[in-house]
This record gives sequence, structure tokens and C-alpha cells, in this order.
Amino acid sequence: EADIYQTPRYLVIGTGKKITLECSQTMGHDKMYWYQQDPGMELHLIHYSYGVNSTEKGDLSSESTVSRIRTEHFPLTLESARPSHTSQYLCASSEGEYTDTQYFGPGTRLTVL
Amino acid sequence: AQTVTQSQPEMSVQEAETVTLSCTYDTSESDYYLFWYKQPPSRQMILVIRQEAYKQQNATENRFSVNFQKAAKSFSLKISDSQLGDAAMYFCAATYNNDMRFGAGTRLTVKP
Repeated sequence: EADIYQTPRYLVIGTGKKITLECSQTMGHDKMYWYQQDPGMELHLIHYSYGVNSTEKGDLSSESTVSRIRTEHFPLTLESARPSHTSQYLCASSEGEYTDTQYFGPGTRLTVL
Repeated sequence: AQTVTQSQPEMSVQEAETVTLSCTYDTSESDYYLFWYKQPPSRQMILVIRQEAYKQQNATENRFSVNFQKAAKSFSLKISDSQLGDAAMYFCAATYNNDMRFGAGTRLTVKP
């Protein structure tokens, strides 16, 4: 099992709440990613980071924001959750180049009522 | 646009039999990498197998092997001697130019 962790695993919240999804890895990987995955659908990249203080938006537009203050930590924040944000969020990391294997966390399944 | 297509939303196989999952991709890049990832129910996604586009030899990992047809932009996964633990969603993915694209996935059921 890869050493990448996500909390919480499941979250049900009301509209308008601010939430932070946590992601941590103990492998010392420089690159980290956030994907959004609807049931039975492909993964869509929403954010990625090449290292500390580096963050970029992915190909899927997202109202979330991320930060990378420490190598091992890559939290994702939604300032005001909406029902359209209901989805599964997967965090991943890789050692170096984009050609490297990505290691995935267990995911956070978010439901916004 | 770079795309990855998995045309089989669902597949089933009898235990101990062989199954092949299809994947096609579209890119104009010459240097890229292809992956198959497995996502078991309620468990983490893990790498099954990885293929470098410049290598002609098909990658193999124990019971898992690929049929990489570069000209046809095809990258199928063959699972031999299927086991109950192989039941999962399988995602084909391709990386080029700092971009990883995933297919929509194939749900594999293994029948005892």
C-alpha cells in the first residue's frame, strides 16, 4: 500500500459550508495531484503541485483552492460548498516526472446537501 | 485534444479464465507513457502495469500483460488466470507533456 492518506473518508455537509480535504504523503514525493471522480466516470485533474509553494489548476475547472506549504501536505479547500461539488476527490503523488507512477490515496467522498 | 477511450464499461470473466480490456488513445506526441490502474471497491487505486511508448516490447507483470499497438494507438490489458481479487474498476491512462488523461474505466466482474 502506498503511504498517502486522505481525511475524512466520507463527509456530508450543508450548502455554504467551508471545508478542507486533507491529503498527506510520507514518501517525500515532489508532485501531488487532486482529481475529481464521479461514480463510474473517469478522473479529472483539478489541481497539481510540483513542489512547495507551487500550485497549478488542472484541466477541469474547479471552485476549490489548494496550498503546498510542506512537501508532505496538499490540502484542498472549498470556501462555500454547493450540491454540484458532490463527488469523490482523490489525492495522488509521484516522485518526479509526469511519466512516473502516481500513488493514490483512498479518496474522500463528499456529499453536499 | 488528448483523449483516452475505454469502450467496455463492463466486462465479466470466469475465474481462472483470461480477459482482455480495451483502451485506445489519441495523441500527436511521440513520447508518452501508458498505464493501467486498478481501483477495487472502496480501496485505493493502484498501478497494475506501465508501458513506455518508445519501447516496442509489451510490458508484463505476472498475470497481467499488455498488447501495445503504437500505430493503432491501442493499449489493451490481458489478465490471465483471473482471480476473484481481480474484480475492480480498471482505468487506462496516458501521460504526455505533464498531463495525465484517464479513460472512463471498465468494471470487471469475476465469476466463481
